[in-house]
Amino acid sequence: QVQLVESGGGVVQPGGSLRLSCAASGFTFSSYGMHWVRQAPGKGLEWVAFIRYDGSKEYYADSVKGRFTISRDKSKNTLYLQMNSLSAEDTAVYYCAKSGSESPGARHYFDYWGQGTLVTVSS
Amino acid sequence: DIQLTQSPSSLSASVGDRVTITCRASQDISDFLAWYQQKPGKAPNLLLYDASRLESGVPSRFSGSGSGTDYTLTISSLQPEDFAAYYCQHYYTPPYTFGQGTKLEIK
Repeated sequence: QVQLVESGGGVVQPGGSLRLSCAASGFTFSSYGMHWVRQAPGKGLEWVAFIRYDGSKEYYADSVKGRFTISRDKSKNTLYLQMNSLSAEDTAVYYCAKSGSESPGARHYFDYWGQGTLVTVSS
Repeated sequence: DIQLTQSPSSLSASVGDRVTITCRASQDISDFLAWYQQKPGKAPNLLLYDASRLESGVPSRFSGSGSGTDYTLTISSLQPEDFAAYYCQHYYTPPYTFGQGTKLEIK
């Protein structure tokens, strides 16, 4: 069965950095695009970033562009999110999510989600 | 960027009611639309994709319709476990934005 397990969340000071990881299992990781989605406390869902199945292309929300970097390691079946220059507005639960169909030609709805990891930016 | 506007933002209904949630895109998204259900403290759960295709394991009381810029999620007969938040999401082109959500509460 498909499993996505996030880790790396915690409390960080404004201006600090954090790297999130998402360990994937139960599917052919190298065949699917992967995403990060976040949810601030009491708020709605915000798509953050996407990386193609082969790592050849990345896309970001304007709110994180230039500060966050999504990457993947196919040898470890792991997705990452490097977050720099963090501010209070980045406080949220961060979910990794799998694209719903195989690449190429994939459609990027999210059929599996991790349990989420909480990032709190506070001094 | 494509914006999604969901309505209503909240809704009170009773068990057995038929409810409809709408999602309007700022441009034609060619049915590249998904719907999710989220319960408190849990990750979202995919209900429908391609506007009207039911995800495996999702009860048939959930259905989706629409085309172009206007889409709807319908729950034909509300069950107690359906009281949750619902989100639409487009995947026409990045950024893959979500609607602001609809909170479905018990009347």
